Amino acid sequence: AQSVTQLGSHVSVSEGALVLLRCNYSSSVPPYLFWYVQYPNQGLQLLLKYTSAATLVKGINGFEAEFKKSETSFHLTKPSAHMSDAAEYFCAVSDLQGAQKLVFGQGTRLTINP
Amino acid sequence: GAGVSQSPSNKVTEKGKDVELRCDPISGHTALYWYRQRLGQGLEFLIYFQGNSAPDKSGLPSDRFSAERTGESVSTLTIQRTQQEDSAVYLCASSQRRDGETQYFGPGTRLLVL
Repeated sequence: AQSVTQLGSHVSVSEGALVLLRCNYSSSVPPYLFWYVQYPNQGLQLLLKYTSAATLVKGINGFEAEFKKSETSFHLTKPSAHMSDAAEYFCAVSDLQGAQKLVFGQGTRLTINP
Repeated sequence: GAGVSQSPSNKVTEKGKDVELRCDPISGHTALYWYRQRLGQGLEFLIYFQGNSAPDKSGLPSDRFSAERTGESVSTLTIQRTQQEDSAVYLCASSQRRDGETQYFGPGTRLLVL
């Protein structure tokens, strides 16, 4: 069965600092991988996704993630944090067949310090 | 165009009562998913609809949970004899049924069972 582990339920960085949110997955075959962001009292919004094309994926709001098969990782980064980045971030893996339901990590709450 | 909509946005009910949650997917999206998000946790898959195919109910936690979808439109998630552990945010998502296709999420229904 597929699974996702997000290291760190809470991450705090200073405004302007590097953001690094870690995600490791477990899958028997290369999966589809997603990062979603959830702002307070809102639904989930897609940041970026990996679907077996380029391993470095660029998303919205300056975020990017790199698929590393050897490390089974899909970490999310942003070079310079902005106050508006404060939110909850979810990494998810998708089946390749059938329902292609998303299996989510527990989420990482990102706090930006002024 | 309009995104995924859900109603009600909030629902408070008493233990033992039945509740119905509604989801209106994006027009033209053949796939529809229901997920549950408990406080401080990631999302759990509940059920998947694709066109007129039999739904994938593998995520439903008990037989108190059921869902219906009329064609490729509205879906209703019903919870019978609600329990306090059913308290959660119920999120609906829709997508075009293609490999790796993005799931677009609604704002969710926040259910509180007293």
